[in-house]
Amino acid sequence: AQKVTQAQTEISVVEKEDVTLDCVYETRDTTYYLFWYKQPPSGELVFLIRRNSFDEQNEISGRYSWNFQKSTSSFNFTITASQVVDSAVYFCALSEAPPQGGSEKLVFGKGTKLTVNP
Amino acid sequence: ETGVTQTPRHLVMGMTNKKSLKCEQHLGHNAMYWYKQSAKKPLELMFVYNFKEQTENNSVPSRFSPECPNSSHLFLHLHTLQPEDSALYLCASSPISGTRDTQYFGPGTRLTVL
Repeated sequence: AQKVTQAQTEISVVEKEDVTLDCVYETRDTTYYLFWYKQPPSGELVFLIRRNSFDEQNEISGRYSWNFQKSTSSFNFTITASQVVDSAVYFCALSEAPPQGGSEKLVFGKGTKLTVNP
Repeated sequence: ETGVTQTPRHLVMGMTNKKSLKCEQHLGHNAMYWYKQSAKKPLELMFVYNFKEQTENNSVPSRFSPECPNSSHLFLHLHTLQPEDSALYLCASSPISGTRDTQYFGPGTRLTVL
């Protein structure tokens, strides 16, 4: 069984604050992939990052950074100097190895709604 | 058009109606997916198609009937739905299913069943 927990249901910050969104996962697989998606009010899920379980290097992309800690099964996402346009629901997801001949399942957390106020 | 498109964006239907949702991907992918997103529930995978063949049906009721005529198009035919089927239906595509490549999503169809 696999599970993704995003304990923060909603977060509200003021523009220019840094904010970290938490993601904790459970899996018995040794090879797996982790993802973050952003869902603005328009509804579309926008892909942010894909990380495999063997790559524990932290990733930085502009104001976004991700901290992958295998020891604590966490894959946290930080937005630096947040902006109003960052307001959205953010989803963490886990993909394990598919069964032979089968399809992988992307299991999503329940999401964290981030509101950035001006 | 680029990426993954879905039509209609909004749909209101009665329980006795028959309607279809359409998804088209312009990414050259071979796998397509339907997901359901209900309020306060995680996204749920419904169906997976790989090279036009259905490879996953996640115990979806038969009132939802998918169709994949080619790798670029995916339909979800709806009939005799229930009010609890009201949700955002998201389509996604990826290069090939089974490789855990990134799935790219469309904007969704917001469905309301009266």
